[in-house]
Amino acid sequence: EVQVEQSGAEVKKPGESLQISCRTSGYNFNEYWIAWVRQTPGKGLEWMGIVYPRDSDTSYGPSFEGQVAISVDRSVNTAYLKWKSLKASDTAMYFCAPMSVFSSGNINHFYMDVWGEGTPVTVSS
Amino acid sequence: DIQVTQSPSSMSASVGDRITITCRSSQNITSHLNWYQHKPGKVPKLLIYASSLLYSGVPSRFSGNGSGTDFTLTIGSLQPEDSAIYYCQKSYVSPLGSFGPGTKLEI
Repeated sequence: EVQVEQSGAEVKKPGESLQISCRTSGYNFNEYWIAWVRQTPGKGLEWMGIVYPRDSDTSYGPSFEGQVAISVDRSVNTAYLKWKSLKASDTAMYFCAPMSVFSSGNINHFYMDVWGEGTPVTVSS
Repeated sequence: DIQVTQSPSSMSASVGDRITITCRSSQNITSHLNWYQHKPGKVPKLLIYASSLLYSGVPSRFSGNGSGTDFTLTIGSLQPEDSAIYYCQKSYVSPLGSFGPGTKLEI
């Protein structure tokens, strides 16, 4: 059974750095992309980016390129989302999920069926 | 980048109604389209993947259709617990998993 455990709530000040984590189990960590998604009341669900644990290849959504960094530690089956300098606008709930794959012929379909419970981040002076 | 839009942005319906939400991609994404249900304070829930495949455990009143640029999510007979925000998500080319803006459904 795939399980996803996210780190706890964070309260930070603008300009501070932060790293939150997403620990997974129950599957081959190296073989599946892991995605991060931001949720805010005003903008809904936003695709932040993904990381491929086997080689740490990353891809970011256009609004997040250069704003965050996604990484993995294969020794503990964990993905990370990091900010160097937080802004008040980073206040949100952050979800992670491994991307499952459905293969039809030689075509792969990716989807997110097991999500972490989310990490709420509050950035306020 | 491929853009994903949804309509309507919000809607109200009654128990037992049949409703359809539309998702449109700015480019051909064949059948690389997923649907999620998100309730306040909860984790998003996968309903449909690969445009029309019902995820395990999801009630059969939910169905998905479409290919290319136009897709639909249909709820066959609305139940009170279907009140939520519904998102489509493309799963094709970078950025891989962009979401639509969501459709808020009130029962």
